[in-house]
Amino acid sequence: GNSVTQMEGPVTLSEEAFLTINCTYTATGYPSLFWYVQYPGEGLQLLLKATKADDKGSNKGFEATYRKETTSFHLEKGSVQVSDSAVYFCALDAGGTSYGKLTFGQGTILTVHP
Amino acid sequence: SAVISQKPSRDICQRGTSLTIQCQVDSQVTMMFWYRQQPGQSLTLIATANQGSEATYESGFVIDKFPISRPNLTFSTLTVSNMSPEDSSIYLCSARTGTSGNTIYFGEGSWLTVV
Repeated sequence: GNSVTQMEGPVTLSEEAFLTINCTYTATGYPSLFWYVQYPGEGLQLLLKATKADDKGSNKGFEATYRKETTSFHLEKGSVQVSDSAVYFCALDAGGTSYGKLTFGQGTILTVHP
Repeated sequence: SAVISQKPSRDICQRGTSLTIQCQVDSQVTMMFWYRQQPGQSLTLIATANQGSEATYESGFVIDKFPISRPNLTFSTLTVSNMSPEDSSIYLCSARTGTSGNTIYFGEGSWLTVV
């Protein structure tokens, strides 16, 4: 079946540090890939997405590139801020009969200190 | 992007009671889904809310416990029946829009605590 694996957290960084959160997936075919963010006490917000191999999704300084050869979709940001502290979820939509249904990774808690 | 509103946003419920969560989308959408997020956990898909027909449930979830309605293309409800403390979770509604490619949006969630 489909699965998403995120790097173990929590991740603690100082402000302006470089961020990488690893995400790898298992799926048949050509899934769409997503990063969602959940700020404390809030719901889920779409951060970025990529729908085909080599696509780069980007938003708010975050980037992730869809790498089919390594089945990965790592999230990066060059300089994090305290306001980026949140839980980050990698997810895939396998399409086909599962179109629209998301499989989520376990989430990575990010804490950024001033 | 689609705006998805959920009600209630939070509630404290008594054991053995049932609660219905409403999900309203600001535009017609092709697909709507319900997820559960237990404390400190990731999201798990409960079911697909089908317009005009019965919901399609994922393994481990049953209609008697989580009845779902979807009377039209913008609205759905999820009922959590005969609640126990194990049902304390965030319940999230999501929708796939047809106009912005394969993008799935979420409501802000309904945070339920069962006491």
